[in-house]
Amino acid sequence: EAGVTQSPTHLIKTRGQQATLRCSPISGHTSVYWYQQALGLGLQFLLWYDEGEERNRGNFPPRFSGRQFPNYSSELNVNALELEDSALYLCASSLSQTTAGNTIYFGEGSWLTVV
Amino acid sequence: AQSVTQPDIHITVSEGASLELRCNYSYGATPYLFWYVQSPGQGLQLLLKYFSGDTLVQGIKGFEAEFKRSQSSFNLRKPSVHWSDAAEYFCAVGGYSSASKIIFGSGTRLSIRP
Repeated sequence: EAGVTQSPTHLIKTRGQQATLRCSPISGHTSVYWYQQALGLGLQFLLWYDEGEERNRGNFPPRFSGRQFPNYSSELNVNALELEDSALYLCASSLSQTTAGNTIYFGEGSWLTVV
Repeated sequence: AQSVTQPDIHITVSEGASLELRCNYSYGATPYLFWYVQSPGQGLQLLLKYFSGDTLVQGIKGFEAEFKRSQSSFNLRKPSVHWSDAAEYFCAVGGYSSASKIIFGSGTRLSIRP
């Protein structure tokens, strides 16, 4: 069974540009989560989608946005990139978290470098 | 407010020695708890999880963790570490209510001394 897959693996952008990161959840999983892992800052919760709807959002500015598609895949968009957006972006998936208690499984991450 | 504290930023132990990584949580309701491991440049792998029942949980790679409600702790242990255990370890907490997100601790980096 395929795990959570993310693309691209690495992405280099310049300040002010937009970045789009993609995530395919494990088959059967309807919840998708995005986390930012910047150097020295641990895992910061960004967004949680379930059944196509945004369920929760972390303390990030509106230029961080995303969506979930009917096939439950998801994309994260970061507009007006800033240098401090450079980080590893991790996607995770689980069975519907609205029932609570489900384990989340992570992908390998997408490295975003802003220069 | 929900929070997870991993008080040790970096721990070094000798290969073959025992290991205990600390995790304390603050949660207003019955939590469920996880430990994940992250090798350099990679995603997070689930080591073990506690939802209910037996407070001593066995995981992969010889790890175990004990849930102590009275101490709000969920410490990770391994009786004898291997060089391949060098990695970053994250404790996480979630809740049983809908729309509760999983909160991660800041991580503990484990180094192994040959």
